[in-house]
Amino acid sequence: SQTIHQWPATLVQPVGSPLSLECTVEGTSNPNLYWYRQAAGRGLQLLFYSVGIGQISSEVPQNLSASRPQDRQFILSSKKLLLSDSGFYLCAWSSIYRGQGDTQYFGPGTRLTVL
Amino acid sequence: GENVEQHPSTLSVQEGDSAVIKCTYSDSASNYFPWYKQELGKRPQLIIDIRSNVGEKKDQRIAVTLNKTAKHFSLHITETQPEDSAVYFCAAITGRRALTFGSGTRLQVQP
Repeated sequence: SQTIHQWPATLVQPVGSPLSLECTVEGTSNPNLYWYRQAAGRGLQLLFYSVGIGQISSEVPQNLSASRPQDRQFILSSKKLLLSDSGFYLCAWSSIYRGQGDTQYFGPGTRLTVL
Repeated sequence: GENVEQHPSTLSVQEGDSAVIKCTYSDSASNYFPWYKQELGKRPQLIIDIRSNVGEKKDQRIAVTLNKTAKHFSLHITETQPEDSAVYFCAAITGRRALTFGSGTRLQVQP
């Protein structure tokens, strides 16, 4: 069965510091991968999605970036964090196969607090 | 792009009553509509979904209906239980296969 991992689970960082969040998927090949952010008490905002290694689409221009160095690895980064970057970061995956490709499954999330 | 509106933002019901959450979408090309349940501090969990070639889908106490003409879909929970208390999100998939989420409904089931 498929499993999605995220780390770290929680993170407290000062303003202006760098960021690296990692997401990995097990039990499937060539998944579509997504990064979402959820501000406290709010809905989910799509940040990036990837359909393959090195293929990244950005939804919201900001100080965040994403990379996909391996098929089942998705990384969210920032060079300098802002206070507004605080939130719950969720990675998700979906299958590329027809009939299965629309359902997205979420990882456990990383709760980021920027002080 | 796609826009999904969700109502109500909060909903309080008595245990055993039914709960209905409604969503509208803007992109007539959207063809997949999942519902997620999110408990406090946890990840969203898929509870039911529906595709545009189906008008209704049911899974035990949960059902979803879709009206393509009006571009709205609804979640129905019958015989609510305290463990149904959570935030529920609707979503619609766009042509680029990414989900656009509604703003969420906080459901409180009073025992």
